[in-house]
Amino acid sequence: KQEVTQIPAALSVPEGENLVLNCSFTDSAIYNLQWFRQDPGKGLTSLLLIQSSQREQTSGRLNASLDKSSGRSTLYIAASQPGDSATYLCAVQGAQKLVFGQGTRLTINP
Amino acid sequence: GAVVSQHPSRVICKSGTSVKIECRSLDFQATTMFWYRQFPKQSLMLMATSNEGSKATYEQGVEKDKFLINHASLTLSTLTVTSAHPEDSSFYICSALGQGIVYEQYFGPGTRLTVT
Repeated sequence: KQEVTQIPAALSVPEGENLVLNCSFTDSAIYNLQWFRQDPGKGLTSLLLIQSSQREQTSGRLNASLDKSSGRSTLYIAASQPGDSATYLCAVQGAQKLVFGQGTRLTINP
Repeated sequence: GAVVSQHPSRVICKSGTSVKIECRSLDFQATTMFWYRQFPKQSLMLMATSNEGSKATYEQGVEKDKFLINHASLTLSTLTVTSAHPEDSSFYICSALGQGIVYEQYFGPGTRLTVT
């Protein structure tokens, strides 16, 4: 059974800092890994999807890496802004279903 | 492209009544759709997988007679919460599996259900 863990559960940093969110998973037999953003009371916004054959993906100030063999992914956010405050979810797509981590609640302080 | 809508976005119903939530893929056909539930401050949990023209597959612990899923067309899946109770109050999110070579789900904006 796939299990996805995100560390830390919550993070608060000053504006402008670079930060890293971590995601680990127990079963390396995956199709892809996806990072989402969720604002309070809202749905999911897909940020980055890394296919199992890829090592990283970049979009603007975001960079996600994938090390399938060790079961780890990181989401790097550069030059953080107050608008980045949200919950970030990591999800792993297996043969049967998409399994989500518990999320990291990120607060960027002006 | 790959837009998924849900209707309604919010619904309040009385205990004991039924409520239907629609999930539509607007610009692509989806043979497979998924329904998730999210309780406050928790992550998304898969409830069921819906395949067009066949019965849905429910996750362990999800009552199939309470959460009726119908995937009658390639662009529409519905979730009906029957005899709703306050403990069914939650955020329900659907997704649709894209048709590309990348195995990617596209998510709807969610439906907030409150049962009074």
